[in-house]
Amino acid sequence: EAQVTQNPRYLITVTGKKLTVTCSQNMNHEYMSWYRQDPGLGLRQIYYSMNVEVTDKGDVPEGYKVSRKEKRNFPLILESPSPNQTSLYFCASSPGTSGINEQFFGPGTRLTVL
Amino acid sequence: AQSVAQPEDQVNVAEGNPLTVKCTYSVSGNPYLFWYVQYPNRGLQFLLKYITGDNLVKGSYGFEAEFNKSQTSFHLKKPSALVSDSALYFCAVRDFRMDSSYKLIFGSGTRLLVRP
Repeated sequence: EAQVTQNPRYLITVTGKKLTVTCSQNMNHEYMSWYRQDPGLGLRQIYYSMNVEVTDKGDVPEGYKVSRKEKRNFPLILESPSPNQTSLYFCASSPGTSGINEQFFGPGTRLTVL
Repeated sequence: AQSVAQPEDQVNVAEGNPLTVKCTYSVSGNPYLFWYVQYPNRGLQFLLKYITGDNLVKGSYGFEAEFNKSQTSFHLKKPSALVSDSALYFCAVRDFRMDSSYKLIFGSGTRLLVRP
């Protein structure tokens, strides 16, 4: 089944404890992206990747890191999480790099930072 | 700057009645427009898109959207609402960058509530 998977689905952590949220897609998509969803703000892009080893900042990259060593994986790293990073996170992928195609979203990761 | 506006936080409609969820956009050049739906505890699902061609676009689950260039709008519509259509709806526009990369800009979302 074609899908985007994220792990974990739920995470409660404490300030400063490094964490990684994994994202994997099995559709051989070039484009991958991370978003955070907050009430009243819609989805805001954190980082995106046009292909392997090609990543760039989105609108809200502060406090996050990403890597794209393989085409299928695009992990999101929070080196020192803070309470303002409490949010619902989505990974998405899309074929091609023109933006003409729809994005496929993972199920989301709900993160709480205490 | 490119932007998307969804002016209604919530839309209420009775089952069987037509529904409209509004979206306006601001973008330089030709817009690529999308609608996504989010059901509770799920990721976003693609509904439909406008890239070029016919201004009336048909999508999944009986939804359609009308692209209006003069009004810079892309409203989502359905002739007869179902209770199961109750969800959070997002409009998005592609923002194409100088380095040939792109991002999607999302609206703030509109919650659709269809009452029996």
